[in-house]
Amino acid sequence: GQQLNQSPQSMFIQEGEDVSMNCTSSSIFNTWLWYKQDPGEGPVLLIALYKAGELTSNGRLTAQFGITRKDSFLNISASIPSDVGIYFCAGSVSSGSARQLTFGSGTQLTVLP
Amino acid sequence: ETGVTQTPRHLVMGMTNKKSLKCEQHLGHNAMYWYKQSAKKPLELMFVYSLEERVENNSVPSRFSPECPNSSHLFLHLHTLQPEDSALYLCASSRTGPRTDTQYFGPGTRLTVL
Repeated sequence: GQQLNQSPQSMFIQEGEDVSMNCTSSSIFNTWLWYKQDPGEGPVLLIALYKAGELTSNGRLTAQFGITRKDSFLNISASIPSDVGIYFCAGSVSSGSARQLTFGSGTQLTVLP
Repeated sequence: ETGVTQTPRHLVMGMTNKKSLKCEQHLGHNAMYWYKQSAKKPLELMFVYSLEERVENNSVPSRFSPECPNSSHLFLHLHTLQPEDSALYLCASSRTGPRTDTQYFGPGTRLTVL
């Protein structure tokens, strides 16, 4: 099956610093999604990307759909304590009426005061 | 959006018990999903329902039995589970049609099998 390589696995940063994480795949995806998960909760959608080369922002978050359609990155600017959590990328190849997502293994972000 | 609810939030059961997990979506979606999330592993897709029909069963053991009575409700019936089935079970929903890849998740049910 398809696999996503997400890196880094974990990050420790100082409050105020910028953060970058990425996902790569050997397969082409038609959609890239970025989610954040807090402990004991379900993933919450942050950004959805539908077109190769697309750059989309959501507040301090910016994500890009790679031109090759095999990668995506997420940047967080000026990190704050509530950014702590696990960030997941997910990709999908459209087939059928319900889409199947392939998830990365997550990036655990810790923001130090 | 927090339009997907799951109950119970926590469940402890013995291996001989029978229990059910419930998911409800209030987003007007018509596709629903069950995922299993274990520690240190990516989310694993278990079942997909589209327009109330099961369209995917990712080699899930028969001790897990899904049910989708309508487009707003999804159940996961559990029986004779094993300790390794302990995990966070997540429900998600999406629309069908163009740009339907965006799935919205519920808060999950933390399941512990003793």
